[in-house]
Amino acid sequence: AQSVSQHNHHVILSEAASLELGCNYSYGGTVNLFWYVQYPGQHLQLLLKYFSGDPLVKGIKGFEAEFIKSKFSFNLRKPSVQWSDTAEYFCAVNPSLGGTASKLTFGTGTRLQVTL
Amino acid sequence: KAGVTQTPRYLIKTRGQQVTLSCSPISGHRSVSWYQQTPGQGLQFLFEYFSETQRNKGNFPGRFSGRQFSNSRSEMNVSTLELGDSALYLCASSLGGSGGRSSEQFFGPGTRLTVL
Repeated sequence: AQSVSQHNHHVILSEAASLELGCNYSYGGTVNLFWYVQYPGQHLQLLLKYFSGDPLVKGIKGFEAEFIKSKFSFNLRKPSVQWSDTAEYFCAVNPSLGGTASKLTFGTGTRLQVTL
Repeated sequence: KAGVTQTPRYLIKTRGQQVTLSCSPISGHRSVSWYQQTPGQGLQFLFEYFSETQRNKGNFPGRFSGRQFSNSRSEMNVSTLELGDSALYLCASSLGGSGGRSSEQFFGPGTRLTVL
């Protein structure tokens, strides 16, 4: 069974600080990787995704993530956070092939608080 | 293109009752997945419907069931409600293919169910 670990449960940063949120997954095959964000009172939105190709992917709002296959990691980064980035961030994976591709497995989430 | 819609947005029920939640996917999407989000367990996959058939199932008791109609709209039913069923129930739609972009899921705002 696949699993996803997010090591940082709660992160507090000042505006303009750099961000890196860790995500590691466990799965024996090829996966698709996603980062979702949930702003307070809003629904889950897709930040970025990796299917194949260039392991460095760029998403919305200045976020990027790097897929390191050998480490089973897909860490999220942003060079300079803003107060509006305060939200909960979820890493998720699903198998690339086969009938279970729609079964997303989520990490436990990281609550990011950005202070002014 | 309209997003995923879920009705109702909020529900209050008492133990022992049953509840039906509805989800309308993005036009053209044939797969609908349901997730339960709680503070303790995070986001957990319930089941997925594709072309009116349940294609994948998570580890939830049989009290949780669903169905999908020919227009891809889906309903989820929970019978004999328990206090622990209080959660945010999220619906996500996708094209439903096995790889890459066709497995990318778009989430609705959720239905907040409170069981008293």
